[in-house]
Amino acid sequence: DIQMTQSPASLSASLGETVTIECLASEDIYDILAWYQQKPGKSPQLLIYDASSLHTGVPSRFSGSGSGTQYSLKINSLQPEDFASYYCQNGLSAPRTFGAGTKLELK
Amino acid sequence: EVQLVESGGGLVQPGSSLKVSCVASGFTFSSYVMHWFRQAPENGIEWLAYINTDSSSTHYAETVKGRFTISRDNAKNTVDMQLSSLRSEDTAMYFCARERRDSYAHYFDYWGQGVMVTVSS
Repeated sequence: DIQMTQSPASLSASLGETVTIECLASEDIYDILAWYQQKPGKSPQLLIYDASSLHTGVPSRFSGSGSGTQYSLKINSLQPEDFASYYCQNGLSAPRTFGAGTKLELK
Repeated sequence: EVQLVESGGGLVQPGSSLKVSCVASGFTFSSYVMHWFRQAPENGIEWLAYINTDSSSTHYAETVKGRFTISRDNAKNTVDMQLSSLRSEDTAMYFCARERRDSYAHYFDYWGQGVMVTVSS
């Protein structure tokens, strides 16, 4: 199974700041990577697929990058609704593994 | 509007069985592969099972293989999962999700709100 390692596990930031979350795959996943946002008590929501493509309706302050085994999610100018947990996901091979998540909290 | 609505959760004793269901609307259900996931309290997301469009292919995570069974009814727009031989470690929120129609990748673009299953004596 492909292991997905996210860092940091938690992150504290202020409104308007820019933050970056990292995801490391245990092997090359050829940019077949997704990012999801999950708010407390809610289901995950697809943000980015193919490492850098924004899903429909996702604000442009979200961006993804990376290749091979290393990927990142960047959120520019944090808004109140961005404080949530974020997960990366291997979309290449079964089983569809997720990172352990990054909890973004308001400082 | 795409909607996925789960039902069937609850409190059950170890060793018992339970069926969770997901009804879909707002899209051509029979054209999409469907999956079940779970998330234990304060934990990450775990993929559990997959079923293709005509039910000819299913796959399971090792943690549930032989105990959980996924099925679908395209006439009723439903995807179910039968949970058997339940253990305390199966306690989690269970989600159904639709897989995007990409031929080369497996992403999940719509999720239900989840249904809680608690296994405890």
